[in-house]
Amino acid sequence: AQSVAQPEDQVNVAEGNPLTVKCTYSVSGNPYLFWYVQYPNRGLQFLLKYITGDNLVKGSYGFEAEFNKSQTSFHLKKPSALVSDSALYFCAVRDGRGQGGSYIPTFGRGTSLIVHP
Amino acid sequence: GAVVSQHPSRVICKSGTSVKIECRSLDFQATTMFWYRQFPKKSLMLMATSNEGSKATYEQGVEKDKFLINHASLTLSTLTVTSAHPEDSSFYICSARDDFRGTSHYEQYFGPGTRLTVT
Repeated sequence: AQSVAQPEDQVNVAEGNPLTVKCTYSVSGNPYLFWYVQYPNRGLQFLLKYITGDNLVKGSYGFEAEFNKSQTSFHLKKPSALVSDSALYFCAVRDGRGQGGSYIPTFGRGTSLIVHP
Repeated sequence: GAVVSQHPSRVICKSGTSVKIECRSLDFQATTMFWYRQFPKKSLMLMATSNEGSKATYEQGVEKDKFLINHASLTLSTLTVTSAHPEDSSFYICSARDDFRGTSHYEQYFGPGTRLTVT
């Protein structure tokens, strides 16, 4: 079984400060890891993914995430937060065994990021 | 980039009626589509997974006769909420994935969601 934990229900940060949104995972095979962002009354938008290779992954809107195998974490980070980054962030994991197929990703419960002016 | 559309974006219906929500992948072939329900406290609940041309696989606790899913083509999936009740009011989001794009892909592309209100 696979699982994702986003331990923080909400993260508050001042504009201009660095932000971190935490994610830890559990999966049997190699993890495929994803971050998505959701703005109010909208669907989720893909931010970035880790499949293989460099542990530091860069994505959209200046976000990046670091894959840490020993800590089974994939925290989302941004060096300088913007008020417009305020949204709901979801981490997801799927088992990387095989190709395509029916492997279904598991999503975390989401973390509300609030960036204060 | 890959775009997924959903229609309608909002719908209000009376209790006992049926509502159909369409999900389309506009610029890629979606071999796998997912339907989610999002509750007010933000968590996403996977309702079912469908592959083109085959029956949907429903998650435990989701009534397949109430939430009819049809993945008739590689670009279209529909969710029909039959005999809707007020407790079915929610935000429904579809998602599509192209499993034939090679191992460098696998992200899901989400539609904008449909707000269903049953009165």
